[in-house]
Amino acid sequence: DVKVTQSSRYLVKRTGEKVFLECVQDMDHENMFWYRQDPGLGLRLIYFSYDVKMKEKGDIPEGYSVSREKKERFSLILESASTNQTSMYLCASSSRDRRYYGYTFGSGTRLTVV
Amino acid sequence: GEDVEQSLFLSVREGDSSVINCTYTDSSSTYLYWYKQEPGAGLQLLTYIFSNMDMKQDQRLTVLLNKKDKHLSLRIADTQTGDSAIYFCAEWHDSSASKIIFGSGTRLSIRP
Repeated sequence: DVKVTQSSRYLVKRTGEKVFLECVQDMDHENMFWYRQDPGLGLRLIYFSYDVKMKEKGDIPEGYSVSREKKERFSLILESASTNQTSMYLCASSSRDRRYYGYTFGSGTRLTVV
Repeated sequence: GEDVEQSLFLSVREGDSSVINCTYTDSSSTYLYWYKQEPGAGLQLLTYIFSNMDMKQDQRLTVLLNKKDKHLSLRIADTQTGDSAIYFCAEWHDSSASKIIFGSGTRLSIRP
């Protein structure tokens, strides 16, 4: 069963902490994405990557950075967490060639910054 | 623009059909999708339709595509309590760095 795995389901961090959210996929997908989901705002794209060591800004990159050192792993970094980054974070991956499969999502990480 | 629009809420009686509607903007979209998100979970692909199709049926699910009006709908027959979820419409957007654009999601609630 193919999977996108996010390392934590729930996280509580303090304001100012550096936070790492990890995502690993086992489908040999080229593309990986990080979204945040907030009530009434739908999914908002933070960053995405089409290849190892490549990254592109999404719609709301401010306050975030990413790392993709290996094809299967895409990390989201909150350099200095703030309360307005409390949210559900969703990682996704997709194949460059098989568009009909769309994106495969992880189960999400609910982050609370206190 | 890149908006995919759908209504935020839908309430239906158990056993009735649910119809969730969506409008999209990119006439060159090749694939359109419906995703389901259950509480506390990620999004799960329900079905997709290729742009040269008008309809696709899969068990209780029927997808209708009207390319002229850029309108996509998802019909769930015999709606059950397990269908309670948020449903996202999405389009593959070739003109936007080849990524999927999602709607804001429609929350489907089932009443007895």
